[in-house]
Amino acid sequence: TQLLEQSPQFLSIQEGENLTVYCNSSSVFSSLQWYRQEPGEGPVLLVTVVTGGEVKKLKRLTFQFGDARKDSSLHITAAQTGDTGLYLCAGRQTGANNLFFGTGTRLTVIP
Amino acid sequence: DTGVSQNPRHKITKRGQNVTFRCDPISEHNRLYWYRQTLGQGPEFLTYFQNEAQLEKSRLLSDRFSAERPKGSFSTLEIQRTEQGDSAMYLCASTQKDTQYFGPGTRLTVL
Repeated sequence: TQLLEQSPQFLSIQEGENLTVYCNSSSVFSSLQWYRQEPGEGPVLLVTVVTGGEVKKLKRLTFQFGDARKDSSLHITAAQTGDTGLYLCAGRQTGANNLFFGTGTRLTVIP
Repeated sequence: DTGVSQNPRHKITKRGQNVTFRCDPISEHNRLYWYRQTLGQGPEFLTYFQNEAQLEKSRLLSDRFSAERPKGSFSTLEIQRTEQGDSAMYLCASTQKDTQYFGPGTRLTVL
């Protein structure tokens, strides 16, 4: 059973398009993180959100934490080929030390 | 380079053999985590250490798996009597506060 479900699982878009990736759960998280992973490498942290309703921006990436802290979204504006990769959300439950990772969204940006 | 390092990067072994992986965390980080990632999935938590103490183990960590961190610095993960289902990427992460920094992983293939 996967605690965090991501959608879509695969996404292929043209350079310059916008996209949104979703991360959903029935569980509440004290914080949620988004990572990007390149083939053959470990995940690299993009952002951490901790407050319900919080929105964080990282250049063309916008991250939102749901009001109930059960879900999150990642929006990319004007995608570039360098955005290609596996995007993972990961949540930490209150009192837990480990992260629960989502199923991942594999993004391909076509030039 | 002061990041997390893992060795070897790739390991191919025959079913039934034992394998050992090593993780060198970022030097000032006292927490170290092991995760397993299979193809098309997000990482799954295996175990974590605070200094040399192993504080939590996942149900995924069968009795064929053992992890150590003898001096609170590097860690090893050993798999005994490997099975084909053990084929995966084994990721190590070290943390300072809530941010986990991942190593590049060891990809294990069991033939």
